[in-house]
Amino acid sequence: QKEVEQNSGPLSVPEGAIASLNCTYSDRVSQSFFWYRQYSGKSPELIMSIYSNGDKEDGRFTAQLNKASQYVSLLIRDSQPSDSATYLCAVNPFVSGGYQKVTFGTGTKLQVIP
Amino acid sequence: NAGVTQTPKFQVLKTGQSMTLQCAQDMNHNSMYWYRQDPGMGLRLIYYSASEGTTDKGEVPNGYNVSRLNKREFSLRLESAAPSQTSVYFCASSSGQGNEKLFFGSGTQLSVL
Repeated sequence: QKEVEQNSGPLSVPEGAIASLNCTYSDRVSQSFFWYRQYSGKSPELIMSIYSNGDKEDGRFTAQLNKASQYVSLLIRDSQPSDSATYLCAVNPFVSGGYQKVTFGTGTKLQVIP
Repeated sequence: NAGVTQTPKFQVLKTGQSMTLQCAQDMNHNSMYWYRQDPGMGLRLIYYSASEGTTDKGEVPNGYNVSRLNKREFSLRLESAAPSQTSVYFCASSSGQGNEKLFFGSGTQLSVL
C-alpha cells in the first residue's frame, strides 16, 4: 500500500463547477497535510496546508481533513480553466524538528473545461 | 525575489558521464532537499540537509551524492550517470522549523542516453 494515495485522473469539471480532489494516507501519526499545485512543466507550489480536523478555507480553496478516516480533500469552488493542473497531496508525520519527512502522492490531474 | 535557483534547466548526458546540479536559496532557510519526479511515481526524496553541515539519505539515494556547501547552496552529483536516472530533478528548501511549506526550484530535466 502506498503511503499517500490519489486518483491520477484526469478529473474533468466544467468551468464554474466545484472540483473535489481526494487523498488517503496510511501513517496514522501524520500531523501535517499539504496540497501543492503543479502546472505542466513547472515546479510544485503550495496552495493549502491543514493540521487539524475539519475545514480550512482560503479564497476558492477549501481543505478538509478527517484524521479518523485518514482522508484529506481539496475543494475548488468556481473552477477556472487556469486551475487546470496536477494537484499533489503531501503528508508529514512530524510536528516539529528540522527534517520534514514529507511524502507525496502521485497527483491528480484536473482539467477545467471552458 | 529569486527564492530557489536551480541550474541547469536541461541536460543530456551519455551513460557513465558525471555532472553536478546546483541549487541555491536566498530565503535563509535551514533545510534543503533534492527530489526526483518520474511519471506515475510522484516526487521521491533523494537526499536532504536538515541544517548546514548535515546531509542524510532519502528514499532513493543510490547513484547520487550531495554537498551542503554553505547555508545557501546544496548540490547534487551524479558520478556515473545511468539511463534510470533520466528524470526531472527538483531542489527545495524549508525553514526547518517543522510544519512549514517547501519552496521548489524550477527543476532540471535530465536525460541519460
